[in-house]
Amino acid sequence: DTAVSQTPKYLVTQMGNDKSIKCEQNLGHDTMYWYKQDSKKFLKIMFSYNNKELIINETVPNRFSPKSPDKAHLNLHINSLELGDSAVYFCASSQVGDGYTFGSGTRLTVV
Amino acid sequence: KQEVTQIPAALSVPEGENLVLNCSFTDSAIYNLQWFRQDPGKGLTSLLLIQSSQREQTSGRLNASLDKSSGRSTLYIAASQPGDSATYLCAVGVGYGQNFVFGPGTRLSVLP
Repeated sequence: DTAVSQTPKYLVTQMGNDKSIKCEQNLGHDTMYWYKQDSKKFLKIMFSYNNKELIINETVPNRFSPKSPDKAHLNLHINSLELGDSAVYFCASSQVGDGYTFGSGTRLTVV
Repeated sequence: KQEVTQIPAALSVPEGENLVLNCSFTDSAIYNLQWFRQDPGKGLTSLLLIQSSQREQTSGRLNASLDKSSGRSTLYIAASQPGDSATYLCAVGVGYGQNFVFGPGTRLSVLP
């Protein structure tokens, strides 16, 4: 069983479209995250949710909106996609004091 | 603000060599530190997690050390193999919610 699963794995879309990436974890962790890995391979946190509540919201455009229907799910919705949004987006989960478990990533390409 | 650096940025070694990857962080107030490997086009695989109260962790040919006071961690890989070729990332756990701050990574190539 995959511990942290993201869908889709690849996403190619046109500028201006709205898209969502889904993430689910079956580890029973309380905290989930979205990270962005840019073309230079640098990983940077975007959002963190603890028990469905937003606790970290780094400086990202408000076109990005996370939604956590329950503590096992954290979805990322992106409005009005721009070329600069092209990147790999990683979902992760953890229990405080433990390390992270990452999903396999979603490669978003905006054309 | 926590900043994490990794040296060297890239490393190429012949198979069988022992090697050390370095990670430095600016704020010693950390919860833990985790080492990951990332293969090209793939996700992150956890290698070792060191809690702030620990000095080192070992798994197989890997040994990670942590010196909080000096803001440093090292990842030691013994008897390197071509399958060890990947990018190695150091991440430091900080703040409420244990936000991990990542270093830029060290790209390792082990030549047969």
